[in-house]
Amino acid sequence: GENVEQHPSTLSVQEGDSAVIKCTYSDSASNYFPWYKQELGKGPQLIIDIRSNVGEKKDQRIAVTLNKTAKHFSLHITETQPEDSAVYFCAATSDTDKLIFGTGTRLQVFP
Amino acid sequence: GAGVSQSPSNKVTEKGKDVELRCDPISGHTALYWYRQSLGQGLEFLIYFQGNSAPDKSGLPSDRFSAERTGGSVSTLTIQRTQQEDSAVYLCASSLDATVNTEAFFGQGTRLTVV
Repeated sequence: GENVEQHPSTLSVQEGDSAVIKCTYSDSASNYFPWYKQELGKGPQLIIDIRSNVGEKKDQRIAVTLNKTAKHFSLHITETQPEDSAVYFCAATSDTDKLIFGTGTRLQVFP
Repeated sequence: GAGVSQSPSNKVTEKGKDVELRCDPISGHTALYWYRQSLGQGLEFLIYFQGNSAPDKSGLPSDRFSAERTGGSVSTLTIQRTQQEDSAVYLCASSLDATVNTEAFFGQGTRLTVV
């Protein structure tokens, strides 16, 4: 089955700097890669997703890149703000299969 | 409309007792997931219901854990003879389509404490 690894486990950046979180997956059949943000005491919320037919997707300050050959994908947050502080999870799956999550990255943005 | 609703939000139970956790998915969503999140940890997959197909139970940690989804809507996760290591937040999520992956919406979770 699918296995997703995520790095780093914690990340501290200064406000305004960029943050990058990286994930690798094992199942070459995976074709959907969402990223979730979890704030304290809340359930995770989708912030961006990418399918295997594209290599990059951007939404304002957030972008995701996918390298299917190497089986890794990354989340890029530019111009970080204190409200970006949260735990971020990557996930991977194929059609009709279950979502498997990475172990999470705790991002802290210092003013 | 309403999002994914889970109840209770908090549950304290004595070791050895059975507990039932409830999930009301978003209306019309055909896929439903249960995950377990221990303190400060990641999302551990438990079970996945996908439309009318047989559920994927491969993540259930022991035979003390079971789940049902009645009428393709509400789901109940049951833990029998609870142990202290079962203490965690149990998260439910639903998504619109079980044949092509779409956004999974999470509930707020049920925090289970076994004393």
